[in-house]
Amino acid sequence: DSGVTQTPKHLITATGQRVTLRCSPRSGDLSVYWYQQSLDQGLQFLIQYYNGEERAKGNILERFSAQQFPDLHSELNLSSLELGDSALYFCASSPHGETTDTQYFGPGTRLTVL
Amino acid sequence: AQKVTQAQTEISVVEKEDVTLDCVYETRDTTYYLFWYKQPPSGELVFLIRRNSFDEQNEISGRYSWNFQKSTSSFNFTITASQVVDSAVYFCALSKETGFQKLVFGTGTRLLVSP
Repeated sequence: DSGVTQTPKHLITATGQRVTLRCSPRSGDLSVYWYQQSLDQGLQFLIQYYNGEERAKGNILERFSAQQFPDLHSELNLSSLELGDSALYFCASSPHGETTDTQYFGPGTRLTVL
Repeated sequence: AQKVTQAQTEISVVEKEDVTLDCVYETRDTTYYLFWYKQPPSGELVFLIRRNSFDEQNEISGRYSWNFQKSTSSFNFTITASQVVDSAVYFCALSKETGFQKLVFGTGTRLLVSP
């Protein structure tokens, strides 16, 4: 158990809908990262937050957005969902968001868009 | 640009065999970090090891060992006396030493250990 929690574990929804994925980092970690794992794209970095501020963006679609709240939990919002958004979404956390950190991953949220 | 290549898509072994998972990376940075993560059938990503590019010493942890060779840009992972519980997808990843920490993952190697 990494200490990172993600809810829900599974999510099934329809095209065009909007969903919110939630992540709680390990105790003491200030930085949160979101990754998407899909069959065609593999594991890809989406976005990073540090202490409530966006720090880095990767291959995140404009239909996707995220935020980190004062209690350090983070939410990833996916809107206007398409079939291709079906994937496993991981949240990871690290103490300071620095390159010397190790990222510890949560169990993931499996999103299925029908 | 950074890139990680795991050429072995799937490896099948019988329990107690030794197996090596290959990882080759590309980066223009002089300092960087390399990682291995394990993804068992349950789906979570489990951290195994982090290696700084300055540290070329091999590392051993129980049945696991890692061989880092900067000259060939490789960071291979060996499991000795494999067990059924080692069945998983193993990912090699790379991150820069400066700037923000974005992990660049390889495509993974699926290891199947049969009894």
